[in-house]
Amino acid sequence: DAGVIQSPRHEVTEMGQEVTLRCKPISGHNSLFWYRQTMMRGLELLIYFNNNVPIDDSGMPEDRFSAKMPNASFSTLKIQPSEPRDSAVYFCASSNPRGAGREKLFFGSGTQLSVL
Amino acid sequence: GIQVEQSPPDLILQEGANSTLRCNFSDSVNNLQWFHQNPWGQLINLFYIPSGTKQNGRLSATTVATERYSLLYISSSQTTDSGVYFCAVLSYGGATNKLIFGTGTLLAVQP
Repeated sequence: DAGVIQSPRHEVTEMGQEVTLRCKPISGHNSLFWYRQTMMRGLELLIYFNNNVPIDDSGMPEDRFSAKMPNASFSTLKIQPSEPRDSAVYFCASSNPRGAGREKLFFGSGTQLSVL
Repeated sequence: GIQVEQSPPDLILQEGANSTLRCNFSDSVNNLQWFHQNPWGQLINLFYIPSGTKQNGRLSATTVATERYSLLYISSSQTTDSGVYFCAVLSYGGATNKLIFGTGTLLAVQP
């Protein structure tokens, strides 16, 4: 398996622009997570999905952030409008709670977002 | 919510040395994982270890759930071991799959 695939790897945008980050989880995994990593706050869970349904979005900073999972193989995290304080590395991760290794989490390579 | 503390915060080793990283958590857990973030930012899952001991090559991990801590052992360290090591836990009764990460241990292995 190719692992969790995220795109783009890097995104540079201007304040006020819409940003869309994409994620393809590992095939067969039914849980998907979006994390944000910054120096100040470390790794924070933004939202996670189980069987394509959002279960907990309490980590989403504010209404400017939204996430969708239209099917088992694709998810997006959208920021609109973007602000400089959104600059961070955004990771997508997936797991299979019913599989061997139970709930072992696998991360994508991340998207480095810079909002100028 | 559950608190996760890692120690030491940073560590410098000479190649070939051994080290022990510690993760303390404030509540009972049913899921504990160790991750390595390499200097390129990739997060690699090392162990899923809610209890007991596991070994993978030069790395091993032990979790003593009753005493609320886990240890990661690195033997004969190599420069490729450099990076940040994270412990992440999920507490009993917590939201399903909501792993909470510690602040990490920054390891630098010098040649």
